Amino acid sequence: EIVLTQSPGTLSLSPGERVTLSCRASQSVYSDHLTWYQQKPGQAPRLLIYGASNRATGIPDRFSGSGSGTDFTLTISRLEPEDFAVYYCQHYGSSLWTFGQGTKVEVK
Amino acid sequence: QVQLVESGGGVVQPGRSLRLSCAASGFTFRTYLVHWVRQAPGKGLEWVAGIWYDGSEKFHADSVKGRFSISRDNSRNTLYLQMNSLRAEDTAVYYCARGDLRTRCLDYWGQGTLVTVSS
Repeated sequence: EIVLTQSPGTLSLSPGERVTLSCRASQSVYSDHLTWYQQKPGQAPRLLIYGASNRATGIPDRFSGSGSGTDFTLTISRLEPEDFAVYYCQHYGSSLWTFGQGTKVEVK
Repeated sequence: QVQLVESGGGVVQPGRSLRLSCAASGFTFRTYLVHWVRQAPGKGLEWVAGIWYDGSEKFHADSVKGRFSISRDNSRNTLYLQMNSLRAEDTAVYYCARGDLRTRCLDYWGQGTLVTVSS
């Protein structure tokens, strides 16, 4: 079973800063099945990026995804106030869907 | 617009059973994978189960295999999760989510229903 490890656990940042979140898989994974979600307190998760690098409908272009093999990255080019949230990566493989433990982006 | 509305949550004693439902609308339900994902209080997301668009294949996480069972009724546009032998560690908000067949991502989510397992 593939394990996804996200780092760091928490990031304390200010609006306007650039953010880079990491998701590392325990073995090489198929990029087409690597996804990123955003979750705000009290809300359901929202799809951000699918297929490692494709923005979902309505997602601003300040969000971008990249990576392949075992290392994937979610980048927010310039943090907006509404971007403070928890971000999860997720992978599908061998009939299992697996989430990383999440990275919290909080206000500094 | 796509809507997923969960129901059936509540407080239940350890060892008892509960069935969750998820009513879907705004899309052709019978052509999509659908899933259950849970989130324990203050914790991260945990995928629980998924089911193929026609119900022909079902997938369950190891943590619930043998106790939980996912099913669907395409004539009613409804997804179910039968939860038996409930444990305290099953306490969580349970979300249903639509799954994309090609990318295997979960593209729309309901607002969740809270299940509390406590004596």
